[in-house]
Amino acid sequence: TQLLEQSPQFLSIQEGENLTVYCNSSSVFSSLQWYRQEPGEGPVLLVTVVTGGEVKKLKRLTFQFGDARKDSSLHITAAQTGDTGLYLCWQGGKLIFGQGTELSVKP
Amino acid sequence: ETGVTQTPRHLVMGMTNKKSLKCEQHLGHNAMYWYKQSAKKPLELMFVYNFKEQTENNSVPSRFSPECPNSSHLFLHLHTLQPEDSALYLCASSQVGGGTGELFFGEGSRLTVL
Repeated sequence: TQLLEQSPQFLSIQEGENLTVYCNSSSVFSSLQWYRQEPGEGPVLLVTVVTGGEVKKLKRLTFQFGDARKDSSLHITAAQTGDTGLYLCWQGGKLIFGQGTELSVKP
Repeated sequence: ETGVTQTPRHLVMGMTNKKSLKCEQHLGHNAMYWYKQSAKKPLELMFVYNFKEQTENNSVPSRFSPECPNSSHLFLHLHTLQPEDSALYLCASSQVGGGTGELFFGEGSRLTVL
């Protein structure tokens, strides 16, 4: 069974700090998506990466897709309290989610 | 109304009850999904329907029975559940199943089995 390993599982930081979340697999991804889920809501798409080595930016969020398409990272610069939530990677080919990274940004 | 709507938002049931969860999407999508989200566990895929045909059943116990009467509606019928089935059940839709298409989620149905 293909698994998506996310790390860290929990992250608690102060506002203004930077952080990176990782999503890894032993298999090659055809594509990968990152979602964010806030309490009481369903996950919402942040980005889709398709090409190995691809980098996408969404305001303070930077997404990278590994050259070999087996890993991806999400970097947040100068985190804000509004970034608090559960960050999930999703592999569309297998329809599976990673375990998630629960981020808490404190004022 | 737009997006994906799930009802009820909260459900408490005994182990011998029969209940159903409903999901409706107004996005014109052709694929619909049921995911289970438990504490401390990743989102688990349960069922996928593409163009009303079930294309995935992720070894889900028979006490969960999906129904997809048309591309806009998806049900999850619940029967003789166990306390460990208590979880958030999320419905999602996409243009077609899997691939690079965006998943649109409902807000979920929080199920408690007593």
